[in-house]
Amino acid sequence: DTAVSQTPKYLVTQMGNDKSIKCEQNLGHDTMYWYKQDSKKFLKIMFSYNNKELIINETVPNRFSPKSPDKAHLNLHINSLELGDSAVYFCASSQDRQGGTEAFFGQGTRLTVV
Amino acid sequence: AQSVTQLDSQVPVFEEAPVELRCNYSSSVSVYLFWYVQYPNQGLQLLLKYLSGSTLVKGINGFEAEFNKSQTSFHLRKPSVHISDTAEYFCAVSRKAAGNKLTFGGGTRVLVKP
Repeated sequence: DTAVSQTPKYLVTQMGNDKSIKCEQNLGHDTMYWYKQDSKKFLKIMFSYNNKELIINETVPNRFSPKSPDKAHLNLHINSLELGDSAVYFCASSQDRQGGTEAFFGQGTRLTVV
Repeated sequence: AQSVTQLDSQVPVFEEAPVELRCNYSSSVSVYLFWYVQYPNQGLQLLLKYLSGSTLVKGINGFEAEFNKSQTSFHLRKPSVHISDTAEYFCAVSRKAAGNKLTFGGGTRVLVKP
């Protein structure tokens, strides 16, 4: 039983395409996140949703659009993909939005833009 | 804003030897502190966290960390490592009212040699 699952695990696509990454959590958590890990392993938050409401929106190009149809799902849609979007994207969830709450991470989606 | 510095990008260590991974943070407000581990091609898993109270925190897999407020440090230690401890280790902080946003350090790669 995977707690936080992302699909696909690998995604190779051409520049200019539009793609989506899906995330689902079965932990009953209220809060979900997207993090980006670049080629140097540096991790940075992109977005966070709490009960389907956007609560964190870091400085991310507006080609990236998160969507949360319900509190168990948080998808990431990327328009007009660029080479620099190549990275590993991690979905995570936590019980609530309070600081100090453990975040549970998915396995990651390795996006390669060619 | 807060920042996290992991002073060593790579730490080679022999099996059964002790290891210490250094983490320093800066923040104008109180923070919560975390250590996460990332095994190859996997997501992040929480090792331990400091919220308040005793400054020595024990985590999973025999790891422990000590919070030092005056030195703004949260170093991770293990007295005897195994080959299976080979992984990337991330120190992170979050603030009380910031939506549980994690700010990560750059990571330390631990390579355990037989």
